[in-house]
Amino acid sequence: GAGVSQSPRYKVTKRGQDVALRCDPISGHVSLYWYRQALGQGPEFLTYFNYEAQQDKSGLPNDRFSAERPEGSISTLTIQRTEQRDSAMYRCASSGPLNEQFFGPGTRLTVL
Amino acid sequence: GQQVMQIPQYQHVQEGEDFTTYCNSSTTLSNIQWYKQRPGGHPVFLIQLVKSGEVKKQKRLTFQFGEAKKNSSLHITATQTTDVGTYFCAEADRGSTLGRLYFGRGTQLTVWP
Repeated sequence: GAGVSQSPRYKVTKRGQDVALRCDPISGHVSLYWYRQALGQGPEFLTYFNYEAQQDKSGLPNDRFSAERPEGSISTLTIQRTEQRDSAMYRCASSGPLNEQFFGPGTRLTVL
Repeated sequence: GQQVMQIPQYQHVQEGEDFTTYCNSSTTLSNIQWYKQRPGGHPVFLIQLVKSGEVKKQKRLTFQFGEAKKNSSLHITATQTTDVGTYFCAEADRGSTLGRLYFGRGTQLTVWP
């Protein structure tokens, strides 16, 4: 596609449920990033991939968060046993050759 | 860890006035990227600065990188209502050509018609 796409755009879940957020990067982009953005804040890094290899996962808050990109294209961010504090906008980005990052529309996660 | 501070956090201007946001670091920055996020939208890349003292212009927007590479600024001349949004500076992970970005908190610009 022409840009980064994310699905679902909105996700409401109950505390304790698992959620999977999907990102489809710009075709041909090697690097894919996950960020979390709270209201009034800048995006906060979670993890990133080059091709299918997870290069840095130091931003993942705890072991309930995981991400994969098995074929070097689409990526899934999974949050297990969701908690209310996980509620946020989750953004995916892919980068061009100068590390300019192209962001998707985000998934708004609400944990009740 | 790497951290960039942005000021001001909020700026309200009348259409036609100029606007400047500043990005500061206590340590030398490897590079600076600027993004704009419209209300309800996602961050959109504007520009990247790499060289000490670099100045780049995009129409009414002027981007500067300090001589000591510890600060950067974005100046908008004669603001328009289309300039409304939050402007973020971000530094890429040092020592890496590809990697995570460290974002500032952003400056939220409101333009009154």
